[in-house]
Amino acid sequence: QTVVTQEPALTVSPGGTVTLTCASSIGAVTSGYFANWFQQKPGQAPRALIYKTSNKHSWTPARFSGSLLGGKAALTLSDVQPEDEADYYCLLYYGGTRVFGGGTKLTVL
Amino acid sequence: QVQLVESGGGLVKPGGSLRLSCAASGFTFSDYYMSWIRQAPGKGLEWVAYVSSPDDGDIIYYADSVKGRFTISRDNAKNSLYLQMNSLRGEDTAVYYCARGGLRCVDYWGQGTLVTVSS
Repeated sequence: QTVVTQEPALTVSPGGTVTLTCASSIGAVTSGYFANWFQQKPGQAPRALIYKTSNKHSWTPARFSGSLLGGKAALTLSDVQPEDEADYYCLLYYGGTRVFGGGTKLTVL
Repeated sequence: QVQLVESGGGLVKPGGSLRLSCAASGFTFSDYYMSWIRQAPGKGLEWVAYVSSPDDGDIIYYADSVKGRFTISRDNAKNSLYLQMNSLRGEDTAVYYCARGGLRCVDYWGQGTLVTVSS
């Protein structure tokens, strides 16, 4: 069974920069995994941020960016705002299978 | 604007059945893959199933955890997505989200419908 691993929790100061990562149990994440990233705030449905590793949706704030970093998919938040405090999930595509990471709880403090 | 509205959730006993519906609007439903994704209380997201667009042959995928018990289907004339859930178990308790996409991108999500499996 494929496992996708994210940092359970991260803390960042307002105005700072933080990178969340997404690793695959079967090896390096490449562009062929079409990594997606989602943000979820308490009591809300998830909201899509990034697709196909680095593409932003029309509503995605410019301070969010996606990339591949050291064999993992990565989501970088620059100039972090208090409203960025949320859970973040990555999603990787393995042929017919899609697997979510366990999520990262981002605290802005 | 794109809207996805789920319905059909509720309380059901173990071994019971439930059918979820997702009404889509604001886009050409038949052009898109559609997915069901769930989230158990206090837990992360789990992909449940997707169905491709008719142009791609209505390919269907199920997570191993629901294979043989759940059936995803779509009615393009009604702009609707369905999830028939049979032989429900306690571990199926979750908020079930309808989402647009599933090939390489998921963009829009519904607000979810809660399914509780309990005696």
